[in-house]
Amino acid sequence: ETGVTQTPRHLVMGMTNKKSLKCEQHLGHNAMYWYKQSAKKPLELMFVYNFKEQTENNSVPSRFSPECPNSSHLFLHLHTLQPEDSALYLCASSQGRGGPDTQYFGPGTRLTVL
Amino acid sequence: DQQVKQNSPSLSVQEGRISILNCDYTNSMFDYFLWYKKYPAEGPTFLISISSIKDKNEDGRFTVFLNKSAKHLSLHIVPSQPGDSAVYFCAASPVIGSGNTGKLIFGQGTTLQVKP
Repeated sequence: ETGVTQTPRHLVMGMTNKKSLKCEQHLGHNAMYWYKQSAKKPLELMFVYNFKEQTENNSVPSRFSPECPNSSHLFLHLHTLQPEDSALYLCASSQGRGGPDTQYFGPGTRLTVL
Repeated sequence: DQQVKQNSPSLSVQEGRISILNCDYTNSMFDYFLWYKKYPAEGPTFLISISSIKDKNEDGRFTVFLNKSAKHLSLHIVPSQPGDSAVYFCAASPVIGSGNTGKLIFGQGTTLQVKP
């Protein structure tokens, strides 16, 4: 499945580092999402973009900064993270019609913050 | 407060038998429900969905049932196969016009093990 791709698949970073996660969708969708999955917890929505505009920020700390240059690409810029930010970060995309809308996920980036 | 709950963290079933995974929700504004399957080191894969105007949707071995009055949905897998062993998440989406930005609210997941 190459519909939604994410790079890198694994990332280890120190608390003072700056890194970026990349997501690309090849499905012609207009909405893209960032989710966080911590151990033993449900997927938590972080950000939603519809037609390149951010439509949801789920009270995410400012050390996470999303960027959506076009409907096919989504980035998550990371800086001065904390060890508790270690998690699986998932990107998803959907048609973005604002109604019943199935989201398709990428494989995720496993982030470890030392 | 968790709006979508999967109260069984795990389920073990014999190959060929039925697997029933359950999900409860609290928000009456949800009107679209989905099930995803997730293997380790992979992202969730969409399985099947149901709109609140229906009470059943079937796709091959997978059937989702929705009981709106009980705010409960279930996923039936018949017959279960060892390759179905994975974590299953239910998710819910609010109605159009309720500030819905396309967000999904996920349950905690149920780990299904199908034994050969």
